[in-house]
Amino acid sequence: DTEVTQTPKHLVMGMTNKKSLKCEQHMGHRAMYWYKQKAKKPPELMFVYSYEKLSINESVPSRFSPECPNSSLLNLHLHALQPEDSALYLCASSQVGADEAFFGQGTRLTVV
Amino acid sequence: GQQLNQSPQSMFIQEGEDVSMNCTSSSIFNTWLWYKQDPGEGPVLLIALYKAGELTSNGRLTAQFGITRKDSFLNISASIPSDVGIYFCAGYDTGTASKLTFGTGTRLQVTL
Repeated sequence: DTEVTQTPKHLVMGMTNKKSLKCEQHMGHRAMYWYKQKAKKPPELMFVYSYEKLSINESVPSRFSPECPNSSLLNLHLHALQPEDSALYLCASSQVGADEAFFGQGTRLTVV
Repeated sequence: GQQLNQSPQSMFIQEGEDVSMNCTSSSIFNTWLWYKQDPGEGPVLLIALYKAGELTSNGRLTAQFGITRKDSFLNISASIPSDVGIYFCAGYDTGTASKLTFGTGTRLQVTL
């Protein structure tokens, strides 16, 4: 099973809303990632968790707050977003270290 | 940070033709991954490369890890309509484990 599951698939939120994106994997991977992808651009790394600890934060604004409650789950909490934050948000997982990373289908986020 | 440049940026080919694309980096990478992404979906892993000079195949796809460790190549033989999509290279650099960086992408369109 090489599946990474993301929910919801689509999300529309207002600039004053608080919402969360969820990601789950059952491959025993101990590295999990959040990426942001704008149209016609490559995915941009936001956060990396290794062994449930935040190891990389690519200078992401604090209105994005990641959380890794256990080795299978990764959340991204959203608060006070801007319209320019509208994008496809991708979750991925891999073994820790330079290994194959598997991606979920993404959450299409629209901020209005 | 690292930049991964892919070429060509886009290509139109006829069904049955072979395709070649490449990815170059400004720094040394210790793992190269190739992904295909369909519109609105997450990237799907095609091939993983771990050693300089390594040549790996997956069906009609063949990829190579460049000797200098700063480049990688992907070939698709006898293209079919379902090969349409965006192909991304991605790599882990030698300095930061688990930091997976994506290339700029090659958009492939196949005509019958």
